[in-house]
Amino acid sequence: QGQHVQSGAEVKKPGASVKVSCKASGYTFTTYTIHWVRQAPGQRLEWMGWINAGNGDTRYSQRFQGRVTFTRDTSADTAYMDLSSLRSEDTAVYYCARGSSGIPRDHDAFDIWGQGTLVTVSS
Amino acid sequence: DIVMTQSPDSLAVSLGERATINCKSSQSVLYNSNNKSYLAWYQQKPRQPPRLLIYWASTRESGVPDRFSGSGSGTDFTLTISSLQAEDVAIYYCQQHYSSPPTFGQGTKLEIK
Repeated sequence: QGQHVQSGAEVKKPGASVKVSCKASGYTFTTYTIHWVRQAPGQRLEWMGWINAGNGDTRYSQRFQGRVTFTRDTSADTAYMDLSSLRSEDTAVYYCARGSSGIPRDHDAFDIWGQGTLVTVSS
Repeated sequence: DIVMTQSPDSLAVSLGERATINCKSSQSVLYNSNNKSYLAWYQQKPRQPPRLLIYWASTRESGVPDRFSGSGSGTDFTLTISSLQAEDVAIYYCQQHYSSPPTFGQGTKLEIK
């Protein structure tokens, strides 16, 4: 069974950037797509996009296009999410999740989730 | 975007009784080519990430107890817990994995009566 372990909670000021990591174990990292999903207080889960851990291809939700960047380090089986120009509305728990199909595509179910990283944006 | 709407928002069921949660999509999530509806269900307990329970509307993920079942096709779906256990207290979400962007329901909070 696989597992994702994410980096710890962050507190950032408006306008700053945050980088969250997601270390995978228990499966072959490069054969799957890692998606990022966030959960703001009182809001439903929101999909942000994905990175193909094999070739590094990325796809971003239009809502975050231009503000978010996904990268990965295959030597460390780790994916990263970088979100810039933070505002208070970005306060949320950010999750990495594996696309269950193994196919690089937006519309997938998510079978392995990280524990979540709380990002708080406050002045 | 496909809008997912769950009902009810909250539900209280006695231990051992059946719990039923509904999910409706604003458009069909059925692929005619394989006759599969691309609808998933997740369970989220406090301070935990979501856990995939069911995909393709009715296929149980490995390790999920068989008291959990999914049904429905097209736009209307149901998650049923046949005999509620104390550990089933959680928020349940549906998600369509039919088209981009994947979207989630607002969640249904399940409690013990």
